[in-house]
Amino acid sequence: EPEVTQTPSHQVTQMGQEVILRCVPISNHLYFYWYRQILGQKVEFLVSFYNNEISEKSEIFDDQFSVERPDGSNFTLKIRSTKLEDSAMYFCASRDTSYEQYFGPGTRLTVT
Amino acid sequence: GESVGLHLPTLSVQEGDNSIINCAYSNSASDYFIWYKQESGKGPQFIIDIRSNMDKRQGQRVTVLLNKTVKHLSLQIAATQPGDSAVYFCAENRGVLMGSSNTGKLIFGQGTTLQVKP
Repeated sequence: EPEVTQTPSHQVTQMGQEVILRCVPISNHLYFYWYRQILGQKVEFLVSFYNNEISEKSEIFDDQFSVERPDGSNFTLKIRSTKLEDSAMYFCASRDTSYEQYFGPGTRLTVT
Repeated sequence: GESVGLHLPTLSVQEGDNSIINCAYSNSASDYFIWYKQESGKGPQFIIDIRSNMDKRQGQRVTVLLNKTVKHLSLQIAATQPGDSAVYFCAENRGVLMGSSNTGKLIFGQGTTLQVKP
């Protein structure tokens, strides 16, 4: 069964450093998402991406965040200058024309 | 506002019993709801969905009920098994139309931890 994959599974970085989280969505999907989950809290929407552009973003997704689909398979989330409060699980998701989103296993980001 | 919530943080049931997990939502215009299961260290896993033109939908051992009058959603799991132990989230599609497609933004509730006792 096709699945969304994410790398790395765990990323540790120092405050102020840039990080890139990578995702490979399901191959025939057209809509891509990033969500985050702070430990013990609910999953929060960050951004949606369709047709090579951001279609919607949340208040969390400020100028420090960017997304890119550099080729036909990868979808990345970049945080330019990480803050302590960026520590969370980051989930990538994708879907086709239905509403059902498939989530990856997540990347745990730890900012020290 | 954007608010989807669950009534109980933890639900403990005996193996073989039925489980009912509840969720309240605030946006009466919402037209699509999903239940996700999240096991420890994993991403959310789709369980079942329902559109607002339905009151009930059944899957394998799971049933989702939607009461639009009181803006309430529930997930029923029949004959709960140890493998059902996880955190369960309700989510609401609050995407906006961009051209002819919906952005698909999901708003999640807080989550209910289901513990199944053997």
